[in-house]
Amino acid sequence: AQSVAQPEDQVNVAEGNPLTVKCTYSVSGNPYLFWYVQYPNRGLQFLLKYITGDNLVKGSYGFEAEFNKSQTSFHLKKPSALVSDSALYFCAVRDEGATDSWGKFQFGAGTQVVVTP
Amino acid sequence: EAGVVQSPRYKIIEKKQPVAFWCNPISGHNTLYWYLQNLGQGPELLIRYENEEAVDDSQLPKDRFSAERLKGVDSTLKIQPAELGDSAVYLCASSLSQGPYEQYFGPGTRLTVT
Repeated sequence: AQSVAQPEDQVNVAEGNPLTVKCTYSVSGNPYLFWYVQYPNRGLQFLLKYITGDNLVKGSYGFEAEFNKSQTSFHLKKPSALVSDSALYFCAVRDEGATDSWGKFQFGAGTQVVVTP
Repeated sequence: EAGVVQSPRYKIIEKKQPVAFWCNPISGHNTLYWYLQNLGQGPELLIRYENEEAVDDSQLPKDRFSAERLKGVDSTLKIQPAELGDSAVYLCASSLSQGPYEQYFGPGTRLTVT
């Protein structure tokens, strides 16, 4: 079975500082990994994904994420955070090796990012 | 390109009443998902459709929840009767099929059961 963990409920960072949101996963086959952002009273917005290839993935709004197979992690990063980055961030995994749940996304519990001016 | 459309955005009902949510996915997206999201938590899959077929409804409480996707486009999720614990946000998402495609989410319907 696939699972995903976001170990931090909240991340606080000052504007202009680097932002990291952590995500670890567990799958039986190859993982497809995704990051989404959710603003208040809105649906989730896709940021970026890892399918295969280069371990560093670049996405929307200056975000990037690094896939680390040995540590089964897919941390989201931004070199310089903005106040407008304050939102709820979700990591999701899809296990392409699963025969009983093919195509099913598993979302993490979310990490609240607070960027202070 | 229009996004995923959901209606209504907000719904307040009394317990034991029925309620229905509607979703129109992005044109060309054959896969449609219904999720339940509780406050401060990640989305939890209720049902996934590939065209008209419900391919994963293992998490759908079938005693009170039902869903349909006629003609493989629009979808409706129904609860009858609603319980206090059903208060949550119901999200609809769509994606292309047969590949590592990301999902696109609608704004959700916030249900309050009193």
